[in-house]
Amino acid sequence: DSGVTQTPKHLITATGQRVTLRCSPRSGDLSVYWYQQSLDQGLQFLIQYYNGEERAKGNILERFSAQQFPDLHSELNLSSLELGDSALYFCASNPKPGTSGSRNTGELFFGEGSRLTVL
Amino acid sequence: EDQVTQSPEALRLQEGESSSLNCSYTVSGLRGLFWYRQDPGKGPEFLFTLYSAGEEKEKERLKATLTKKESFLHITAPKPEDSATYLCAVQALGNAGNMLTFGGGTRLMVKP
Repeated sequence: DSGVTQTPKHLITATGQRVTLRCSPRSGDLSVYWYQQSLDQGLQFLIQYYNGEERAKGNILERFSAQQFPDLHSELNLSSLELGDSALYFCASNPKPGTSGSRNTGELFFGEGSRLTVL
Repeated sequence: EDQVTQSPEALRLQEGESSSLNCSYTVSGLRGLFWYRQDPGKGPEFLFTLYSAGEEKEKERLKATLTKKESFLHITAPKPEDSATYLCAVQALGNAGNMLTFGGGTRLMVKP
């Protein structure tokens, strides 16, 4: 158990719909990362938040948005869903460098993912 | 653009048959190279960080090594429980935030 919690685990919806994926980072971690994993694209970085502020953006579509709340949980909103959005969506967190024995911010703790199926 | 290529895509081994997984990378400046293990239906689990050419890290039957262009994950006398997908990722210097660029992974199957 990584300590990162994601809900829901599975989600089936139709094209054109909107869904929200939720993530609670490990206790004490300030950063939250969202990654998308599909069969043809592998694991792709979407977006990072640190203590409520957006820190970095990857290949995130304009139809997707995210935010991190004051209690540090994060939500990823996916709208106008298309068949190609079907994928596993992972959330990850990590401790601040120098804390909890971590030297580098690339050492991520991933949740178990939310599997999205768009029909 | 940072790129990571892993080979082979899939590898079948007999229990006890040692082998190596390859990760080739191109990055503007390497801050760190990471190895993760991913079991089916689970999120990736961190294994190693390597920072500079010549560095090696070991954990049980796994040893990771790094050169200026590639990294290897050596598996010595594997057991069935080592079956998983192994992911390699790089973090570049000067990246906004701490994003990782992942390779496509190597799916390892160890038969008893």
